[in-house]
Amino acid sequence: EPEVTQTPSHQVTQMGQEVILRCVPISNHLYFYWYRQILGQKVEFLVSFYNNEISEKSEIFDDQFSVERPDGSNFTLKIRSTKLEDSAMYFCASRDRQGPQHFGDGTRLSIL
Amino acid sequence: QKEVEQNSGPLSVPEGAIASLNCTYSDRGSQSFFWYRQYSGKSPELIMFIYSNGDKEDGRFTAQLNKASQYVSLLIRDSQPSDSATYLCAVDFYNQGGKLIFGQGTELSVKP
Repeated sequence: EPEVTQTPSHQVTQMGQEVILRCVPISNHLYFYWYRQILGQKVEFLVSFYNNEISEKSEIFDDQFSVERPDGSNFTLKIRSTKLEDSAMYFCASRDRQGPQHFGDGTRLSIL
Repeated sequence: QKEVEQNSGPLSVPEGAIASLNCTYSDRGSQSFFWYRQYSGKSPELIMFIYSNGDKEDGRFTAQLNKASQYVSLLIRDSQPSDSATYLCAVDFYNQGGKLIFGQGTELSVKP
């Protein structure tokens, strides 16, 4: 069964450094999403992406965040200058035109 | 503010029993409802989705939707210890392929 893949599984970064989280959505999917989950808290929406542009973003997704689909398969989330409070699990999800969202295994981001 | 509410639990049931998980949501116009299972430290895994009032069954799982009461539930029949996880209710309030709003999740423990 096709799945969303995310790399790396765990990223440790010094505060203030840039980090790029990578995702390969399911191949025929058109809508892409990033969510995050701080330990012990709800899964929170960050951004949705369709037709090579952002469809919607949350208040969390400020100027430090950006997304990109650099080629036909990858979907990336960049955090320019990481803060301690960016430490969380980051999940990529994708869906086709009609179906539900399917999540990748996530990247655990630890900011030191 | 769109809200999804769940009882955080833990809900403890004996093996073989029916587990009933409940979720309420704030927007009467919501159209799409999803149940995800999340094991500790893992990503959300889609269990069921439901769009219409009534019941939808898939194996041991039944999703129930009552839009008038803004209530969606998940029943797990013949509960197994492997069902022990946190169950996340998620709502797509706009039914336009947009963001999911998640509840806090209900922790289910199935005792052998």
